Order: sequence, then C-alpha cells, then structure tokens
Amino acid sequence: AQTVTQSQPEMSVQEAETVTLSCTYDTSESDYYLFWYKQPPSRQMILVIRQEAYKQQNATENRFSVNFQKAAKSFSLKISDSQLGDAAMYFCAFNQFYFGTGTSLTVIP
Amino acid sequence: NAGVTQTPKFQVLKTGQSMTLQCAQDMNHEYMSWYRQDPGMGLRLIHYSVGAGITDQGEVPNGYNVSRSTTEDFPLRLLSAAPSQTSVYFCASRSLGVRNEQFFGPGTRLTVL
Repeated sequence: AQTVTQSQPEMSVQEAETVTLSCTYDTSESDYYLFWYKQPPSRQMILVIRQEAYKQQNATENRFSVNFQKAAKSFSLKISDSQLGDAAMYFCAFNQFYFGTGTSLTVIP
Repeated sequence: NAGVTQTPKFQVLKTGQSMTLQCAQDMNHEYMSWYRQDPGMGLRLIHYSVGAGITDQGEVPNGYNVSRSTTEDFPLRLLSAAPSQTSVYFCASRSLGVRNEQFFGPGTRLTVL
C-alpha cells in the first residue's frame, strides 16, 4: 500500500511571506498523480494543485507551486505572498486514494 | 448545481444502532467515494464506486456497507455503530480518471456514544 507522510503538523507564516509545506510518499508505481487539498475552517475540501508524475515540470497555480522530486518521492507545496485566506489544513494526497495527516497553516497578520 | 450534498450534517447514535448517511451529486460523475476524517489521521477511504452497480473497498471498509443503484446516490450504511466510528464523514465525486478534481460534500459529524 502507498503511504503519504506530512511531517509538519503545524506551520505559520507572516502575511505576504512565502511558506513551504512538505510531503513525502512511498510507492512502487511509476505513473500516478499527486494532489494538494485545502480545508479551511468551513470544513469544505478544495483542490489547490495537482501534479502528474510523468511530467517533470512542476505544476503552478497562481501563488501556489510545487516542488516535485520523483526520485526522492517528495512533493512540497510553496505558497507565495501568503494571504489571511490561506489559513487552513493542507492535505497531500496520492491518486486521491491515500491522504496525509495534514498540516495546519496559520497566517499571521 | 448543488454539487455534492450530504445528510444529515450532525448525528448522535448509541452503540449498536444502525443508520445510513446519504450522499447525492448532480454532476453526472461516475466515481463516488466515502472518506472518514479523524484528528491526526487525515482522510481515509472507506468505499468507492466507479458507476451504478459497482462498488469496492477502500482502506478502512470494516463496519460499513455501500450500494450504488443510481449514478446520483451513494449511501453509506453503518450496520452496528461503535464508538470507534465517531468521525467526520465526507462523500466525494469526480469524473472517471484519477487526475480529475474531486468535489467534496460538506461532511457529516457522527458521534457514537
């Protein structure tokens, strides 16, 4: 079975600064998809960004980007110009089947 | 479009009671799934379905049953509730293809006493 590990239970960032959330995973598959989902206090899960394993280019979505290192099985999320609305739990997911335990992000005004 | 809807929003059960969590989607998605979310555990997949009449087990299926008689509905049944099933339950749907965005319902908070 695949495993997804998020080793940072909590992170904080000053408004307008940059923060990186870590995610590692374990798999024997060569083709797969990785995702970051955001869960604000409303509890609604929202897709932030996805990465296809066979694509070497890192995915970007506006202020959100990933650093995908396939050989190291690492998939970190970088949030630039952090905003108060970015405060949430962030979950890393493998093929949307296995999720990590989440990182709680606090944005300090 | 209502998206993915779940009822009820909150439920309290006594040990041994049974109940059904309802989930419906109006996006004509073939794939539907149920997750449970526990503190410090993230989301864990309970059951999923790739179409009407087809269901399969996820990571933590024990104690839960599902059926998929229509594309729109995917109910989750707790046969005999246990305190270990106290959790927040999320239903989700997407088009077939693991790369497709998954749309989540608002969740059901279940407490088993």
